[in-house]
Amino acid sequence: GQQLNQSPQSMFIQEGEDVSMNCTSSSIFNTWLWYKQDPGEGPVLLIALYKAGELTSNGRLTAQFGITRKDSFLNISASIPSDVGIYFCAGPGGGAQKLVFGQGTRLTINP
Amino acid sequence: DSGVTQTPKHLITATGQRVTLRCSPRSGDLSVYWYQQSLDQGLQFLIQYYNGEERAKGNILERFSAQQFPDLHSELNLSSLELGDSALYFCASSVGIGTSGGGYNEQFFGPGTRLTVL
Repeated sequence: GQQLNQSPQSMFIQEGEDVSMNCTSSSIFNTWLWYKQDPGEGPVLLIALYKAGELTSNGRLTAQFGITRKDSFLNISASIPSDVGIYFCAGPGGGAQKLVFGQGTRLTINP
Repeated sequence: DSGVTQTPKHLITATGQRVTLRCSPRSGDLSVYWYQQSLDQGLQFLIQYYNGEERAKGNILERFSAQQFPDLHSELNLSSLELGDSALYFCASSVGIGTSGGGYNEQFFGPGTRLTVL
């Protein structure tokens, strides 16, 4: 089945630093989604991308839909303590609503 | 708060037992999804229901079953439990089943049920 490879698996940064993570697939996705999961909570959608080349922002978060439709990137600028959590990329696999998730990037911020 | 509720929050049981996890979708959402999150497999789609009918199936074991009731709440039944079934189980809901062009309806996730099989 479709798989999403997300990197890095974990990041340890200082508060105020910018963060970049990416997600790649061996097959084409028509939609790319970025979720964040806080401890003890379910994933929350941050950004949805629907068109190749699309660049979308949500506050300090910016995500891009790769032009090959096989990758996506998420950037966080000027990180703050509440950015701590696990970030997942996801996309519809085998159906519009059947989501496939990457393995996640765990973000830790040192104050 | 996503508006999706799941009960119980935690469940501890023994191997061989059967448990039922419950989910209430957001008001107005007709689609319900179940996902399993484990350390080795990550977040995996199990099954989707739309307005009471099964819509899509993922890597759901035969020991697992689900249903969606007329009031749209859903239950996930796990039987003959094994140690490897220990995981977080999430329910999500969305308005519909996506658009005809393959468009995505945002899924809102509940807080999850943590299942521990001893």
